[in-house]
Amino acid sequence: EDQVTQSPEALRLQEGESSSLNCSYTVSGLRGLFWYRQDPGKGPEFLFTLYSAGEEKEKERLKATLTKKESFLHITAPKPEDSATYLCAVQARNTGFQKLVFGTGTRLLVSP
Amino acid sequence: GAVVSQHPSRVICKSGTSVKIECRSLDFQATTMFWYRQFPKKSLMLMATSNEGSKATYEQGVEKDKFLINHASLTLSTLTVTSAHPEDSSFYICSASLAGYYEQYFGPGTRLTVT
Repeated sequence: EDQVTQSPEALRLQEGESSSLNCSYTVSGLRGLFWYRQDPGKGPEFLFTLYSAGEEKEKERLKATLTKKESFLHITAPKPEDSATYLCAVQARNTGFQKLVFGTGTRLLVSP
Repeated sequence: GAVVSQHPSRVICKSGTSVKIECRSLDFQATTMFWYRQFPKKSLMLMATSNEGSKATYEQGVEKDKFLINHASLTLSTLTVTSAHPEDSSFYICSASLAGYYEQYFGPGTRLTVT
C-alpha cells in the first residue's frame, strides 16, 4: 500500500530562521511527488511536482528535493506569510486516474 | 491559470435533507475531477474520482448512494450529499486535472454543517 509520512507534525520558526520539512514515502513505482500549501479553511495550493531522484525545484523561499525514499521542502529565511500547512502527496505509476495519496501535513508557524 | 471554483463555500442544512456542491474548472477543461473530504487537522481523504461522461469511481468505504457524483461536462462536476446527517459535516474539496498532466488543482472547499 502506498504511504506518505510527514515530519515534524508542527514547526514553529522565527522569521529568518531556515529549516526543512520531511516527507518519507513508500510507493509501488513513483510517477510523481507533489507539494501543496494549505491555508486554514482553504483548498490546497499547488507548489511543486518532482518526478525522479535528484530533481530539485525552487520557488521564492521554497526549494523541494527528492530522493528514492523521501523529499524535503527547504524554507530559506521564512516570513510570517509562509505560515501554513504543507502537504506532500505521491502518485503511483500504476494508478489509472492520477490518484494522489497525501500525508497528514506539517503545520508551519513563522513568528515575526 | 488552472483555477478551480466551488459553490457554495459554506452551507448549513437540516438532517435528512440533500445538498449539492458544484465544482468548476474556470480556465481549462478537466478530464478528471476528484472529491475529497477533510476532517479538522487531518489530511485529505479521497472519496471518488470522476471522468466526464462516465460513472464515478468510489474509494473503499464511501457510500455511492449517499454521495452522488455527476461529471456532466469537462468543466463541471457536482457532489450531492443525500439524506445528510450530522456525521456528514465536514470540509469537502474538489480538484481537477488536465489531460496529459499529473498535477491536481484544488478548489477553495465547501464547509458543510448538518444540524
